[in-house]
Amino acid sequence: AQSVTQLDSQVPVFEEAPVELRCNYSSSVSVYLFWYVQYPNQGLQLLLKYLSGSTLVKGINGFEAEFNKSQTSFHLRKPSVHISDTAEYFCAVRNNQAGTALIFGKGTTLSVSS
Amino acid sequence: DAGVIQSPRHEVTEMGQEVTLRCKPISGHNSLFWYRQTMMRGLELLIYFNNNVPIDDSGMPEDRFSAKMPNASFSTLKIQPSEPRDSAVYFCASRPGGTSTEAFFGQGTRLTVV
Repeated sequence: AQSVTQLDSQVPVFEEAPVELRCNYSSSVSVYLFWYVQYPNQGLQLLLKYLSGSTLVKGINGFEAEFNKSQTSFHLRKPSVHISDTAEYFCAVRNNQAGTALIFGKGTTLSVSS
Repeated sequence: DAGVIQSPRHEVTEMGQEVTLRCKPISGHNSLFWYRQTMMRGLELLIYFNNNVPIDDSGMPEDRFSAKMPNASFSTLKIQPSEPRDSAVYFCASRPGGTSTEAFFGQGTRLTVV
């Protein structure tokens, strides 16, 4: 079975500052990794995903994440955040077999202030 | 495509009543997932279907919960009888078959049991 730990429940930052949201996973098999974003009263939207290949993955809205197999981590980063990035961010994992489900972390609330 | 469609968006019901949540997945998608989101537990996988067949319902909290997928374009999640602790946002998601990896989420149903 897989599990995901998001180490920070809340991350407050100022506008234009860099941010890193941390995610660690546990799995005995090869996995796919995802970051989703949820804006208030909305569903979840995919930011980026790692399937294989290059460990640095670029997503929408200027976000990127790096897969580190030895540390079982998939941290999300953005060099300069905007007020509009305020949202909840979820890290998710699933094994690479067809037909399996995403398992989510508990989420990190990113609050960007001016 | 209109995306994953959930109804109703909001539901307020009295304890003991039956509640039915509905989901229309994206046309052509083979997998369908039901998740529950609460502040305490985050996003929990309740059940998922592949090709209309339930694959894993280990996340369904109690016998009061049941889910069906009578055809490829419709699924329901029923709670009977409902209890205040069932109050949460319930999300439906769908995913294409084969090697596809991304799940697409609906807007969610906010359930309040009073």
